[in-house]
Amino acid sequence: DQQVKQNSPSLSVQEGRISILNCDYTNSMFDYFLWYKKYPAEGPTFLISISSIKDKNEDGRFTVFLNKSAKHLSLHIVPSQPGDSAVYFCAASAWGAQKLVFGQGTRLTINP
Amino acid sequence: GAGVSQSPSNKVTEKGKDVELRCDPISGHTALYWYRQSLGQGLEFLIYFQGNSAPDKSGLPSDRFSAERTGGSVSTLTIQRTQQEDSAVYLCASSLGRLADGELFFGEGSRLTVL
Repeated sequence: DQQVKQNSPSLSVQEGRISILNCDYTNSMFDYFLWYKKYPAEGPTFLISISSIKDKNEDGRFTVFLNKSAKHLSLHIVPSQPGDSAVYFCAASAWGAQKLVFGQGTRLTINP
Repeated sequence: GAGVSQSPSNKVTEKGKDVELRCDPISGHTALYWYRQSLGQGLEFLIYFQGNSAPDKSGLPSDRFSAERTGGSVSTLTIQRTQQEDSAVYLCASSLGRLADGELFFGEGSRLTVL
């Protein structure tokens, strides 16, 4: 039972353009959402988060949007840079659960 | 140390052997997590420690898997009688406290290959 789904295994974007990574979830108890970025042979690193009381959170080039009614969140990266090429994982947790449920990841490639 | 440290970074073993994977969390982090990532899959939760106790071990795949944490610091994940399907990257993460207070800090992982 995949509670967090990233339906696009890969995404290729031109440098300077916007990258949009999508994530869907099924558990309505989830109230905290995060994006992690992973380079090869390294552990995932935290990128940005959003709680269910908000619908948008911005940090520099990165913005996360949350649509609770659709159980959907997205990560926007603008402008995309070659260093953004990595695997991006969406994750979610329910209040009190103290664990993150991760999606399968989307491999983002930024082309020069 | 400055970050989460895991050892070994790579382990190749024969089917049926036991393996131990070690995690040294960031100093002062009370919460410790084990996840694994099989080829082409997402991160799968295994177990969560708060201090030395494990309030959530719901992700351990079978009774061949066990984990302990001592002194509120180092944790060891043990896999007995390894099977080929145990091949994966095992990731350890730590955090200061509640998830909402801070994100997880991951180590680089231990890549396990069972022949």
